[in-house]
Amino acid sequence: AQTVTQSQPEMSVQEAETVTLSCTYDTSESDYYLFWYKQPPSRQMILVIRQEAYKQQNATENRFSVNFQKAAKSFSLKISDSQLGDAAMYFCACPGGNNDMRFGAGTRLTVKP
Amino acid sequence: SQTIHQWPATLVQPVGSPLSLECTVEGTSNPNLYWYRQAAGRGLQLLFYSVGIGQISSEVPQNLSASRPQDRQFILSSKKLLLSDSGFYLCALRRGPKNTEAFFGQGTRLTVV
Repeated sequence: AQTVTQSQPEMSVQEAETVTLSCTYDTSESDYYLFWYKQPPSRQMILVIRQEAYKQQNATENRFSVNFQKAAKSFSLKISDSQLGDAAMYFCACPGGNNDMRFGAGTRLTVKP
Repeated sequence: SQTIHQWPATLVQPVGSPLSLECTVEGTSNPNLYWYRQAAGRGLQLLFYSVGIGQISSEVPQNLSASRPQDRQFILSSKKLLLSDSGFYLCALRRGPKNTEAFFGQGTRLTVV
């Protein structure tokens, strides 16, 4: 089964600054997507960004972008111009070959005004 | 677009009592359905997933079971709750191909007392 590792339990960033959240994964799949989800205090899971593994270009969604290093199986999330509303738990996710989908342990992001 | 209904939102149950959490989906057919549990401040643990009616894959041996009696209905059950069953339970779906993202319900906060 695939594994997803987020090595930063907590991160903080000053408002308007940039922060990078790390994620590494291991999968036996050759064709896959990777995802970052945000979980605010409401606990609703919100998709932030997705990356197609066969695309070399890093995905970007407004202030959110990824640094995808396929050979290293690394998938980090960069948040630019951080806003107070970005404060949340962030989860990295990787689908498996058996229709399962696994998540990392999460990183709690605090944004300081 | 698909909708996921999960209820109840909050539940307090005594140790040893039975449990039934229901998840129903609308707006899609033959989805893959998932139950996750999230302990306080922790990541998402995959409990069960289903690729079709009557098909259940269990990830972790535990006090819980799952059933899928209808295409759009996924039920999480227990005959006798333990204190360790407390947590936040999330139902999720994925449509079609394995590389699609997961969509989540609002979750159920279960407290076993």
